[in-house]
Amino acid sequence: SAVISQKPSRDICQRGTSLTIQCQVDSQVTMMFWYRQQPGQSLTLIATANQGSEATYESGFVIDKFPISRPNLTFSTLTVSNMSPEDSSIYLCSVEDPRTGVREQYFGPGTRLTVT
Amino acid sequence: AQTVTQSQPEMSVQEAETVTLSCTYDTSESNYYLFWYKQPPSRQMILVIRQEAYKQQNATENRFSVNFQKAAKSFSLKISDSQLGDTAMYFCAFNTDSNYQLIWGAGTKLIIKP
Repeated sequence: SAVISQKPSRDICQRGTSLTIQCQVDSQVTMMFWYRQQPGQSLTLIATANQGSEATYESGFVIDKFPISRPNLTFSTLTVSNMSPEDSSIYLCSVEDPRTGVREQYFGPGTRLTVT
Repeated sequence: AQTVTQSQPEMSVQEAETVTLSCTYDTSESNYYLFWYKQPPSRQMILVIRQEAYKQQNATENRFSVNFQKAAKSFSLKISDSQLGDTAMYFCAFNTDSNYQLIWGAGTKLIIKP
């Protein structure tokens, strides 16, 4: 299965600033996903990032707040812009590994963001 | 609407016991994929086991097995000989051939006591 790394693993940020989270995969994948997990909650999909096209955002998430880049088949970034304390969450990236033949997703270790 | 229901917010068992986590789902699709993920306190989301809906045989991965009841839309996870390292949040999820987006349950917090 694909091995995924994320940077940073955690950060504490001031409100009004922005943070860019990086996601690196050890193999080429078509589909990459960005999730938010608020404390004690399940995962919520923010957007799907496909290489060579604009990211597809889910209801309630907009590009101005969560801009995403996908420059190649192994890398993506998510920026959390103009942060407020409500953005304090774990942010996870995941990929669908085409080699398995099953539509399963593998996850990075997550980024714990605290906004003060 | 596609949904996943995990009716047990929290469970606690003694080490070495067997525990079953319940999950029901709803979809009108004929071909879909069911998953159990584990999220320990380290927050890493780990795929525990998968089941393709077209397969009748229940999936098994070492101490983890599922009871897949397609007609009842039930997908429970059984953990045998539970270990302290099994302490984690467990999430049930599924997606379909026509929609890659994973639909998640609310999770069950499992505590293994020594």
